[in-house]
Parts: sequence; structure tokens; C-alpha cells
Amino acid sequence: NAGVMQNPRHLVRRRGQEARLRCSPMKGHSHVYWYRQLPEEGLKFMVYLQKENIIDESGMPKERFSAEFPKEGPSILRIQQVVRGDSAAYFCASSPPAGFNTGELFFGEGSRLTVL
Amino acid sequence: AQSVTQPDIHITVSEGASLELRCNYSYGATPYLFWYVQSPGQGLQLLLKYFSGDTLVQGIKGFEAEFKRSQSSFNLRKPSVHWSDAAEYFCAVGAGGGTASKLTFGTGTRLQVTL
Repeated sequence: NAGVMQNPRHLVRRRGQEARLRCSPMKGHSHVYWYRQLPEEGLKFMVYLQKENIIDESGMPKERFSAEFPKEGPSILRIQQVVRGDSAAYFCASSPPAGFNTGELFFGEGSRLTVL
Repeated sequence: AQSVTQPDIHITVSEGASLELRCNYSYGATPYLFWYVQSPGQGLQLLLKYFSGDTLVQGIKGFEAEFKRSQSSFNLRKPSVHWSDAAEYFCAVGAGGGTASKLTFGTGTRLQVTL
């Protein structure tokens, strides 16, 4: 049973380029969460999605960042016109549907974005 | 709003010594509490969780944690630390099961183990 899969594991972009990070949740999981970990800091919540719906995006920066979780395919976190401050590890987590949820999150190994 | 405080940024212990990592939370209802461990360059692995019932919970790798409502704490302990326990440890609080849970994490405690 595959866990949460994230790719790419490492991504290098120049300032002004776009970054796309992908996340496939665990089989049977319908909720996806994105967290950002800046160097030497803890994880900060960004966005919570269900299929085709953004449920909570209270942690997303207002500009340049967007997320989606389409009916088919992985969830995607998109960062437009990246700046050096976007350099961080971006973690995806998933959880089962409501009614089967134990409250815990299952994490991927993260995507590490470096902006030159 | 829920919050988590891990007052110790960095802890060093000798191999074989006991360990206690502190965690204090703020949450309006009965919290769901978690400890995760992160090795360098890796994702987060769940060590243990508390939902209800017995306030002393056992986890993987010989870790345990005790929920103390009166102190709003959920400290992580291990009787004898191994060198492989060196990692970053995160405490987290969530709204609970039955519905999807957005977890709030502390800033982490980095554990260094000396031989």
C-alpha cells in the first residue's frame, strides 16, 4: 500500500519562474493538506483540499500561490513568479474520508524547492 | 485558535540516558494530540497519538507520552535513548476524528544524542 507520493523531491527554479509540486494521496484518502517548512522552522499549514474543492486556504499567501485537487490526478501546489523567500520544503499529507478519519495525517517525504 | 508550544529548541542527551521533550497546547475542547519525528531530509513519521481514554499512550520505537489536561501538556518520554533517535520532534494538536483534521504544529525540538 503506497504512501503519500510527492514529486519532484527536489526542484530548482530561478526567480520569476513557476514551480509545480504534485501530491498523490494514500489510496482511499480523499483529503489533502499542504504544509510549508521554512529552514529551521516548524510546519505551517497552507491549504486543505478535497476532490475538486478547496476547503480551507487560510494559510496560503494571497498572491502567486494556488492549489488544486482535480477529480482525476494528483493535487498540485503551484507557485508563480517564485522569489528566494519561497525556498522551503513543501509537505503534502492526506487523511481518509469523514467517518473513517482518526484525526492523524499521513505525510509524504516532501518537495524541496530552491530558488536561485 | 489552537496553538502548540515546544519550549526547547535543541536538546542534547547521552546515549542510554532518559529523555523528556515538552509540549504545551492551547485548544478550546478536548484535543487530539500527536508527536511526529522527522529525520534529516525526510518526511514526518507518526510516533504516537492521544484521542481519549488512558492518558499515558505508548508509541513506536519505545516512546510514550502523557496527556495532562490540568497542565495542558503532552510531554514525550523515552527511558533510554539510542543514537538513532537523533532527529527533530514535532508536537501537534488537531480538532479530532470523524471529520478531517487540520493539525497545528509546534516549532519542533531538535534532539542530539552523544555517544
